[in-house]
Amino acid sequence: NAGVTQTPKFRILKIGQSMTLQCTQDMNHNYMYWYRQDPGMGLKLIYYSVGAGITDKGEVPNGYNVSRSTTEDFPLRLELAAPSQTSVYFCASSYPTDSAFFGQGTRLTVV
Amino acid sequence: RKEVEQDPGPFNVPEGATVAFNCTYSNSASQSFFWYRQDCRKEPKLLMSVYSSGNEDGRFTAQLNRASQYISLLIRDSKLSDSATYLCVVNTASGNTPLVFGKGTRLSVIA
Repeated sequence: NAGVTQTPKFRILKIGQSMTLQCTQDMNHNYMYWYRQDPGMGLKLIYYSVGAGITDKGEVPNGYNVSRSTTEDFPLRLELAAPSQTSVYFCASSYPTDSAFFGQGTRLTVV
Repeated sequence: RKEVEQDPGPFNVPEGATVAFNCTYSNSASQSFFWYRQDCRKEPKLLMSVYSSGNEDGRFTAQLNRASQYISLLIRDSKLSDSATYLCVVNTASGNTPLVFGKGTRLSVIA
């Protein structure tokens, strides 16, 4: 039972590079989320989606883009990476009124 | 007022102690409530759901007070392994609103 799978687990990017963080879930959840968590801080919502084809901004969307072409996949795109995007990124999914399941996270360093 | 507020702690308690965390939420339309646990550098994991009637799972008891808009978590007979950050989570599920996470309360159980 895979749950929520994130790839890669670790990545080092140079300033100005781009990358896509992958997230897939096999629980047929409608809702999917992307959070970032800086050291010692709480989760901050970047983007979320309530279903295929629907995405919306969270608290800190600048510098990121998402798409939701299928129920299973919710990739997060970083364009022009900056040191301020060094963080741990968590993807999560849920049913509308239910608790969320998280992936194991992607640790990103921008140098 | 923030949507979900928690005392960040840290709460430093000896083994065997009883410790309680409170969390307040601002949206009276909130429908689902959860406590999550997050270990250092790991993803948040569901600890327990919170029901109006209160619920217990071993040494953990969760309570919901809708009138005062707060939820609580009580941990009895604290173990070293309980050391973690505890996140309060609220789900409004009206319209297309995502889960809202509190910033977390850090607990350290000391031998």
